[in-house]
Amino acid sequence: GNSVTQMEGPVTLSEEAFLTINCTYTATGYPSLFWYVQYPGEGLQLLLKATKADDKGSNKGFEATYRKETTSFHLEKGSVQVSDSAVYFCALSPKGNTGFQKLVFGTGTRLLVSP
Amino acid sequence: DAGVTQSPTHLIKTRGQQVTLRCSPKSGHDTVSWYQQALGQGPQFIFQYYEEEERQRGNFPDRFSGHQFPNYSSELNVNALLLGDSALYLCASSFNSGRVNEQFFGPGTRLTVL
Repeated sequence: GNSVTQMEGPVTLSEEAFLTINCTYTATGYPSLFWYVQYPGEGLQLLLKATKADDKGSNKGFEATYRKETTSFHLEKGSVQVSDSAVYFCALSPKGNTGFQKLVFGTGTRLLVSP
Repeated sequence: DAGVTQSPTHLIKTRGQQVTLRCSPKSGHDTVSWYQQALGQGPQFIFQYYEEEERQRGNFPDRFSGHQFPNYSSELNVNALLLGDSALYLCASSFNSGRVNEQFFGPGTRLTVL
């Protein structure tokens, strides 16, 4: 079946530190991969995506590379800010159903950034 | 341009009752998906509606049902509520272009079952 595994949180960092949140997946074929962010009291916002192997998604200083050989999609940012504090979800959409996109989410990783 | 809207924001029900949650998709979107997010967990796919029909369903019992209207808005109905149905219910909309498109999420409805 399809599943996503994320590192457990919370991840606690000081401002300007380097961030890595690990994500690995299990899927049939080659899914599309996503990172969503959820700020307190809000819904999910798409942060970045990659639809095929070796693609790099990037947005707002965050990056993630679709690694087929390790079935991973780790999220990175070179210098975090207090405003990045949120819960980050890794997700996949199984391939072959482009008109129908069911998202399979990991359990989320809470990031806390202190000044 | 309004994004995805959901109502109500919060809801408290007792076991055995029935509830209806509502969702209006982002302008230009024709597909609505519903997800259940239990506390501390990632969202779980319930079902998706397109052209007023349920296209696929996740691992949820028949107590969960839905509807999509001609204006693309959608309802999620849950019958015979259980304590375990307490969760944040998220609606997501997208446009069915045949490609991988972003799903835009609403702020959710927080359902508490007592």
